[in-house]
Amino acid sequence: SYVLTQPPSVSVAPGQTARITCGGDNIGEKSVQWYQQKPGQAPVLVVYDDSDRPSGIPERISGSTSGNTATLAITWVESGDEADYFCQVWDSASGHYVFGSGTKVTVL
Amino acid sequence: QVQLRESGPGLVKPSQTLSLTCTVSGGSISSGGYYWSWIRQHPGKGLEWIGYIYSTGNTYYNPSLKSRIIVSVDTSKNQFFLRLTSVTAADTAVYYCARRGVDSPHFAYWGQGTLVTVSS
Repeated sequence: SYVLTQPPSVSVAPGQTARITCGGDNIGEKSVQWYQQKPGQAPVLVVYDDSDRPSGIPERISGSTSGNTATLAITWVESGDEADYFCQVWDSASGHYVFGSGTKVTVL
Repeated sequence: QVQLRESGPGLVKPSQTLSLTCTVSGGSISSGGYYWSWIRQHPGKGLEWIGYIYSTGNTYYNPSLKSRIIVSVDTSKNQFFLRLTSVTAADTAVYYCARRGVDSPHFAYWGQGTLVTVSS
């Protein structure tokens, strides 16, 4: 089955850029979504179709894909960005949605 | 703005059936255009898609759970349902209902989630 690989954690200083990677075989050929989840809350969609943002999501959050890696970037990081971030794709070969294991972003 | 809300027992005994309801407001399930989904999250873990249903009743399930899942819909009540049979402790999780568009594989709207614990 299709596997998405994320680093368990990323630490970043306020005002810097956090980059969260999501690795998968030829992920560049799939539509990648990213979700932000804060403790005790439901996930929130922050990026869809690789790089589009839902309304209300700041431009500081952006997505990109290339080859076997998708990346979520958060510029000008602030304390409110501390959360778990999950990537997600639809795997047509197995016929189901696949989520990455999640990356915890810590603001130093 | 569409809203989803899960409801159901928070405790289920092993080997029994887990039953949850998702009530939708701010939008009609019968209007079509969306898949209504169930997703779960084991404590401290990642997300696992369970399955979804269309307004017509057509369903699509995670192959790894397919033998134990039934997802159904009642458009007159604007609700859809999850039944998971023969539960074990491994089914303890927060269960979310969510909506995705027919033409877009992303979950734009989620319920707040409900914790279901499987224990005797």
